[in-house]
Amino acid sequence: EAGVTQSPTHLIKTRGQQATLRCSPISGHTSVYWYQQALGLGLQFLLWYDEGEERNRGNFPPRFSGRQFPNYSSELNVNALELEDSALYLCASREGAAGNTIYFGEGSWLTVV
Amino acid sequence: GQNIDQPTEMTATEGAIVQINCTYQTSGFNGLFWYQQHAGEAPTFLSYNVLDGLEEKGRFSSFLSRSKGYSYLLLKELQMKDSASYLCAVLSGGYNKLIFGAGTRLAVHP
Repeated sequence: EAGVTQSPTHLIKTRGQQATLRCSPISGHTSVYWYQQALGLGLQFLLWYDEGEERNRGNFPPRFSGRQFPNYSSELNVNALELEDSALYLCASREGAAGNTIYFGEGSWLTVV
Repeated sequence: GQNIDQPTEMTATEGAIVQINCTYQTSGFNGLFWYQQHAGEAPTFLSYNVLDGLEEKGRFSSFLSRSKGYSYLLLKELQMKDSASYLCAVLSGGYNKLIFGAGTRLAVHP
């Protein structure tokens, strides 16, 4: 069974551009979480989607947005990129809103130059 | 507010036992997770506790006391490959926001 898959693995963008990151949850999982992890720092909660709807978001500006598709895959968009957006972006999937296991993908490294 | 506290760093000797503590204050509680994260890699799921008590899984065990807002991860028979960061995360509130502590960096030496 495939785990959580994320793409791209690495992405380099220039300041002001937009980045789109993708996540496919484990088959049967309907809930997706997004996190930002800057180098050497902890995981900061970005967004939570469940059953196609945004259920919660962290303390990030509106230029961080996303969506969840009918097949439960998800997309994170970061507009007007800033240098400090350089980080590892992690997606995690959960078997529904009450599942007791949450698994992470390998992440997408975003570098803004 | 919501707060999760863990020690920043710990060191231990190969073959020994180490206990990593986590205290939390969150709006509601729907479970506590422990993850292992090696540098530059994604977090790997270790355990989930939602009821008080000890959950044992091989060399790793996790304990929870909801009344004290306290958990610990116990690692036995330490191996060099256990050198990693250990992340405590709480599912808080009615919206199941998964909040992470800053992590504990464990160094295992011979």
